[in-house]
Amino acid sequence: SQKIEQNSEALNIQEGKTATLTCNYTNYSPAYLQWYRQDPGRGPVFLLLIRENEKEKRKERLKVTFDTTLKQSLFHITASQPADSATYLCALGNAGNNRKLIWGLGTSLAVNP
Amino acid sequence: GAGVSQSPRYKVAKRGQDVALRCDPISGHVSLFWYQQALGQGPEFLTYFQNEAQLDKSGLPSDRFFAERPEGSVSTLKIQRTQQEDSAVYLCASSLGSGATNEKLFFGSGTQLSVL
Repeated sequence: SQKIEQNSEALNIQEGKTATLTCNYTNYSPAYLQWYRQDPGRGPVFLLLIRENEKEKRKERLKVTFDTTLKQSLFHITASQPADSATYLCALGNAGNNRKLIWGLGTSLAVNP
Repeated sequence: GAGVSQSPRYKVAKRGQDVALRCDPISGHVSLFWYQQALGQGPEFLTYFQNEAQLDKSGLPSDRFFAERPEGSVSTLKIQRTQQEDSAVYLCASSLGSGATNEKLFFGSGTQLSVL
């Protein structure tokens, strides 16, 4: 069955360092991958989308890579700040008319001042 | 509106009660989704609307779950005869169009349902 794995442990890093989160998947061939941020008691907020034919996407301090051979996406936050502390979710989607996203469990990131 | 609005924010129900959860999507958004999120888990797809048409309801866990969007804007998720396993956060999301499957979703803050 389709399976998505994100960093199993919570990630604790020091302010100013780069946070790297992983999203691995099996038994799935996504057409695109999205990353969302979720704060406690709130819904997910969209951050970045990357398509299967793209290797890398950047937005301000965020960078996402997509390796369809390794079946993996990496999400980087450079110059991290305490305000970046949240849970980060990856979601995979198919092409065509299927609007159903498959979500990972999320990785909790804590940036310490 | 400014964002996706869901109500109530919290709902406590006794087992066996019926509940109705409301979602106001962003004005003009064609697509509307319902997701269920258990504690410590990612969202699980429940159902998808394109305007008033329910195009995919494959994620609804049982026939006790019913969703509607009669005028293509506000949507209601109804759960009949609630069970303890229905306890979760119910998230509503909308997106602008319907043609592109990779559109970003805008989520509401969810309704936290607790069934006692």
